Amino acid sequence: AQKITQTQPGMFVQEKEAVTLDCTYDTSDQSYGLFWYKQPSSGEMIFLIYQGSYDEQNATEGRYSLNFQKARKSANLVISASQLGDSAMYFCAMREGPGGFQKLVFGTGTRLLVSP
Amino acid sequence: GAVVSQHPSWVICKSGTSVKIECRSLDFQATTMFWYRQFPKQSLMLMATSNEGSKATYEQGVEKDKFLINHASLTLSTLTVTSAHPEDSSFYICSARAHVYEQYFGPGTRLTVT
Repeated sequence: AQKITQTQPGMFVQEKEAVTLDCTYDTSDQSYGLFWYKQPSSGEMIFLIYQGSYDEQNATEGRYSLNFQKARKSANLVISASQLGDSAMYFCAMREGPGGFQKLVFGTGTRLLVSP
Repeated sequence: GAVVSQHPSWVICKSGTSVKIECRSLDFQATTMFWYRQFPKQSLMLMATSNEGSKATYEQGVEKDKFLINHASLTLSTLTVTSAHPEDSSFYICSARAHVYEQYFGPGTRLTVT
């Protein structure tokens, strides 16, 4: 069963607009973490934001915020005031496994294109 | 911030040869490193988890004898693709764990087997 689901293969947004990238997850663990990474065409994985399952407030990092809805098992990424440099692949990931054996499971990604 | 390097950044080799990819944590010690594989326009798939001083733990379906992983020190892990074939051509990315919840990625290595 897919543990991380990103249903939007591609998204378009105009510069300066906000965009939401969807991510739903499936886990029976009480303690877990959710990540968003950006992958530009160069291939590097750039960490954007992290949300722990016990965090009561939604995580924010500059223009990035994570809309965490635990009951719905969703962790959508909101990018405000999009910039041309935001064009990239975006991956949602979940930390799973106990303690020191934790690993990341990635979704299939969403390609974001920001137009002028 | 924590920096992870990979070398080489790209490599072309002939079918049947072996290729070694290095992953280094430059400014922190990483007891655990991870190796991922990414095909074009696809997601990252975890290949193996590498712990310093012990054998790597491979994900289901990953051939241990083909993808040799050595985590020799707290700052270096290597992935050797043995007897490479064209189907092994891919983008290989490593990551290193600084703390339980922090994982930093290297820039990736693009392998092309001709």
